[in-house]
Amino acid sequence: QVQLQESGPGLVKPSETLSLTCTVSGASMSDFSCNWIRQSAGKGLEWIGRVSSTGTTHHNPSLKSRVTMSVDASKNQFFLKFSSLTAADTAVYFCARAFMVRGVIGFDYWGQGMLVTVSS
Amino acid sequence: DIQMTQSPSSLFASVGDRVAVTCRASQSITNYLNWYQQKPGKAPKLLIYGASTLQSGVPSRFSGSGSGTDFTLTISSLEPEDIATYYCQQSFSALWTFGRGTKVEIK
Repeated sequence: QVQLQESGPGLVKPSETLSLTCTVSGASMSDFSCNWIRQSAGKGLEWIGRVSSTGTTHHNPSLKSRVTMSVDASKNQFFLKFSSLTAADTAVYFCARAFMVRGVIGFDYWGQGMLVTVSS
Repeated sequence: DIQMTQSPSSLFASVGDRVAVTCRASQSITNYLNWYQQKPGKAPKLLIYGASTLQSGVPSRFSGSGSGTDFTLTISSLEPEDIATYYCQQSFSALWTFGRGTKVEIK
């Protein structure tokens, strides 16, 4: 059974950097594409970017300047760093696995989500 | 960016009703369209990918149709456990985007 689990702080101060970890179990790390997605009342579901098990990344252009993604395949972990946070970054942050069938890409396994509040 | 517009934003229906949710893309996305179901406090769950292919384990009362810019998610006979918010998502462009959701409630 594939499982993803986000971990990290639930409260971050404005201007600081958020660091989240996504730990994967029950799946091979080879060809694993970990996607970071957030959900807020203001913007709905927003794709942040993805990182593969080899470390290749693709970003949402509107967030790219503030986002760093990485992987430690030996620990089955993916990482998100999100800098210069403001209250507008308050959201539930998900990691999700992407799959591809006949060119269509979707998210078939998700973590439970991590509420991150940006506040002093 | 490809904008995904869902309608209605919410609907009320009775158990046993046929329910349809629509999603329109701002440009053609061929069939690169997925549907998700989200219940309160939970992560989205993949229902349909490629516009019409049912994800494994999803009840057959769910179906998807459409191509190009216009897509529909249909629940043939609404069950109480189908109360949720439904989202469409496109993977045609490099920037993957979601609709704002349709909340389905019991009348």
